[in-house]
Amino acid sequence: QKEVEQNSGPLSVPEGAIASLNCTYSDRGSQSFFWYRQYSGKSPELIMSIYSNGDKEDGRFTAQLNKASQYVSLLIRDSQPSDSATYLCAVRGSGNTPLVFGKGTRLSVIA
Amino acid sequence: KAGVTQTPRYLIKTRGQQVTLSCSPISGHRSVSWYQQTPGQGLQFLFEYFSETQRNKGNFPGRFSGRQFSNSRSEMNVSTLELGDSALYLCASSPVAGGTGELFFGEGSRLTVL
Repeated sequence: QKEVEQNSGPLSVPEGAIASLNCTYSDRGSQSFFWYRQYSGKSPELIMSIYSNGDKEDGRFTAQLNKASQYVSLLIRDSQPSDSATYLCAVRGSGNTPLVFGKGTRLSVIA
Repeated sequence: KAGVTQTPRYLIKTRGQQVTLSCSPISGHRSVSWYQQTPGQGLQFLFEYFSETQRNKGNFPGRFSGRQFSNSRSEMNVSTLELGDSALYLCASSPVAGGTGELFFGEGSRLTVL
């Protein structure tokens, strides 16, 4: 059973701080890694994708991937109250495999 | 460009009934995936369809079924409903099957079983 693990939180950070969200996965052959944001009562929205080791930056968001450690993270710089949401890590393995989601980390940014 | 459209958005059923949920993917997207989301289990994969063929199926009982039509629209059916089937059912579309794995979700159909 391929698993994706996340700390459920809640993770509370003050406005303007860096929020760090972490995710580990069990399938060493995984190829594609994603972060989705889900506001309460809404559907998941793709915010970042990363496919190779290292960092990928998009605005205030940075995704980091370490395949050797089977670890992927999301950093949110200058956190805003509007970033308060549940962040879902999703991983797709090699070949014909579905996208597997973690249970999500709830982030709360305090003004 | 219109997003993924799911109908109905909300529905209430009683145990033993059946339900059919519909999903229209983003125009040009040929892959449709279905997920069940509950507070305790998170997002769990149900099935994935591409060009009317089921490519993957999750670990759900046979009461859960789906299909995809030639216009890429998809339906899922749950027969003999149980209380535990109460959940948000999310449909997601993608331009290709598997591949980069970027899924675009609809707003979901929230099913309550009484």
